[in-house]
Amino acid sequence: QQQVRQSPQSLTVWEGETAILNCSYENSAFDYFPWYQQFPGEGPALLIAIRSVSDKKEDGRFTIFFNKREKKLSLHITDSQPGDSATYFCAASGTGGNNKLTFGQGTVLSVIP
Amino acid sequence: ETAVFQTPNYHVTQVGNEVSFNCKQTLGHDTMYWYKQDSKKLLKIMFSYNNKQLIVNETVPRRFSPQSSDKAHLNLRIKSVEPEDSAVYLCASSRDRVNNQAPLFGEGTRLSVL
Repeated sequence: QQQVRQSPQSLTVWEGETAILNCSYENSAFDYFPWYQQFPGEGPALLIAIRSVSDKKEDGRFTIFFNKREKKLSLHITDSQPGDSATYFCAASGTGGNNKLTFGQGTVLSVIP
Repeated sequence: ETAVFQTPNYHVTQVGNEVSFNCKQTLGHDTMYWYKQDSKKLLKIMFSYNNKQLIVNETVPRRFSPQSSDKAHLNLRIKSVEPEDSAVYLCASSRDRVNNQAPLFGEGTRLSVL
């Protein structure tokens, strides 16, 4: 059972456009949602994270929009750059003293100059 | 430099051999993890250690065993590797498991089983 789902599987945008990466989850107990960026041959790097008490989190060109009622969130990358080309993972964890992250299957983003 | 360090970067071995991967974090974190990333890039947690106690074990095969000497080190041993063990093994650490701090990852160890 895939508890965290991402779409699309792959996305291609032109340089300067806004890339929108989607994520949905099933477990209502999830309340913390980090996004990771992974380049080929490297480990995932924490990009930005949001807690369920917020509906928006912004960090430079990266913004998370969160809809708790629909159990959906999205990562918006404005003014996309070729250097943003990578795989993006949405992850989720809940409370209860167990910091177990459940990852989505990732979205491969390609930014064309 | 503070980060999560993994060795080796790559390892090629044959079925049935034993392998061991090392991980060290210099972040002062309390919890360390091992994740497996398969050829489809799916990430799944294998183990986590907090204060030298195993707190999550995702029913991985018994040939896998984590080994920790202190809270800054968490090694992974695979006894008698199988072809399906070919993957990238990622070590990570986080400061606080209670408040859901996102783990920080190392670069990974790429295992190929022939």
